[in-house]
Amino acid sequence: TQLLEQSPQFLSIQEGENLTVYCNSSSVFSSLQWYRQEPGEGPVLLVTVVTGGEVKKLKRLTFQFGDARKDSSLHITAAQPGDTGLYLCAGVASVTGGFKTIFGAGTRLFVKA
Amino acid sequence: DTEVTQTPKHLVMGMTNKKSLKCEQHMGHRAMYWYKQKAKKPPELMFVYSYEKLSINESVPSRFSPECPNSSLLNLHLHALQPEDSALYLCASSQDYSNEQFFGPGTRLTVL
Repeated sequence: TQLLEQSPQFLSIQEGENLTVYCNSSSVFSSLQWYRQEPGEGPVLLVTVVTGGEVKKLKRLTFQFGDARKDSSLHITAAQPGDTGLYLCAGVASVTGGFKTIFGAGTRLFVKA
Repeated sequence: DTEVTQTPKHLVMGMTNKKSLKCEQHMGHRAMYWYKQKAKKPPELMFVYSYEKLSINESVPSRFSPECPNSSLLNLHLHALQPEDSALYLCASSQDYSNEQFFGPGTRLTVL
């Protein structure tokens, strides 16, 4: 069974603090996505990483894909209340007959003003 | 058009009702997905359609019946649901099923 372990599950921080969310697996992924989801809404795609060691930046968010393409991290600098939400990582893995997307359990972030 | 749309936004139904959820995308994506998401949990895959053919059914009960009338549309027909089926139902699409998925806003379903 392929698993994508995401940590921490919950994070409550003050505005202006930095944080890092991790996704780890023993499986190799052809790509990995990070999503942000607000309550009652669908996940919104933030970034896709494809190449081992790849780093992508989206304003205050920095995403990194591990060299072996088994893990990824999301770092937020100077968090703001608008960053509050559920962050999901999802890895696309090769399986018999095709591909499968595996979701992490999510990190619920709350940024206090 | 770069979005996935879903209707209705909210649905309340009784256990004897028949209803349908609809999903549409005009991005030319050839893979479409149904997910079920309970509170505080990640999305849970139900079905995958690839090139309008059902390619994955994650052992979903037959009271959920998917349909893909064409490459842009995906329906989920609901019949004789149980209260525990209440959840957020998400549709997603991707260029093919090795690519990143784009999600719709979801349908909040309540079964009474």
